[in-house]
This record gives sequence, structure tokens and C-alpha cells, in this order.
Amino acid sequence: QVQLVQSGGEVKKPGASVKVSCKASGNIFNNYGVTWVRQAPGKGLEWMGWTTAHNGNTNYAQKFQDRVTMTTDTSTTTAYMELRSLRYDDTAVYFCRLVSETFDIWGQGTRVTVSS
Amino acid sequence: SYELTQPSSVSVSPGQTARITCSGDVLAKKYTRWFQQKPGQAPVLIIYKDSERPSGIPDRFSGSSSGTTVTLTISGAQVDDEADYYCYSATDNSPVFGGGTKLTVL
Repeated sequence: QVQLVQSGGEVKKPGASVKVSCKASGNIFNNYGVTWVRQAPGKGLEWMGWTTAHNGNTNYAQKFQDRVTMTTDTSTTTAYMELRSLRYDDTAVYFCRLVSETFDIWGQGTRVTVSS
Repeated sequence: SYELTQPSSVSVSPGQTARITCSGDVLAKKYTRWFQQKPGQAPVLIIYKDSERPSGIPDRFSGSSSGTTVTLTISGAQVDDEADYYCYSATDNSPVFGGGTKLTVL
């Protein structure tokens, strides 16, 4: 079973950027896309976007289009999500996710806190 | 964009059947997934393609679809099933989660 292991929690100031990593236990990125989902404290799940490794295509939710970049590095089987111009309401747990028709594997989540 | 609507909470006693609905126009055309999320944990897929169950998911979890509404049914709910449940559906460019339903089993 593939596992996704994410980087540790981060504390950032407003206006800064954060880059979260997501490492897969096997080289599967070439076959599937990686999606990113976030969850603010006490709130529901919010889809942010996805990226595919084999051709670098991306699809971002409209609200994040100007501030987010999602990439994958097949040599290290690692996906990255960078969010710029952080605001207080970007405080959330960020999850990476590997999706196929029959499975849906999530990382453990990375807590990002935006605080002055 | 589109929305998926879930009740905010559902309560049942242990052993009873819990039903959680998810409504949205897109559901008449696209498959739905259901996720279970316990506090401090990542979501877990429990239903895909409206009614299919991944391996390892107990058969007390089932899904059904009718028009623009899908339903997650937990037959003989257990205390351990107490969690937040989210429906999810995706057009090619705009996946969305429902707002989530807190299931209480007591």
C-alpha cells in the first residue's frame, strides 16, 4: 500500500510563503495526479487543486489561482504545494492526496499557522 | 462552481441505522465518494462510485444514489463510527466537498 508522508508543521507571518512537501513510498506519481486539500480549524474540507507528474499539468481552484503552485519531483517521488502571500485565514491543516478510480490515499496532514 | 449540501449533524443510538444525505445537481451526472474523518486524523475513503466499498471497509457502510441525492447508510452503527462524514464529487475541473456531517452515536 502506498503511503504519503508530509513535512512538519510550520508557523509563518502574514505575507510570507510556505512550501509543504508530500513524499510517496513508491514511484507512482507518473501514473496518478496529486491533489491538495486543506481544512481550517473546526471547518470542512476544501479542495485546492491538483497536478500531474507525467506532463506537469495543473488545475487550481479559482480562489487560490494567484497564490498557489503545485509541483512534483519524480526523481524523489515528492510533491510540493507552495502558498504565497499568506493570510491569517490560511491557517489550516494541508493534506496531499493520491487519487485513482478505486483508491484515495491521504497524507497525515501538515499544520500551517499564520501568526504575527 | 457547484455545491453539495449535507445535514450538519445526525444522531443515532448504537445498533441503529444512520443515514447521511448529500444533495447537489452535479450528483445526477457524476459519481460520489464518501470520507470518514475522526478528530486529528486524515479522511479515509469509505465509499466510491456512489456505492462501491474499498477493501477493508466494513460492510455496514453502504451508499446509494437517486437523482441529485446520494445517501450514506451505516447499518448497525457502532460507537466507533462516531466521526465527521464528507461527500465529494468532481467535474473535470471543479471537485468539491460537502460541508460535512457530524455523526453522533450514543
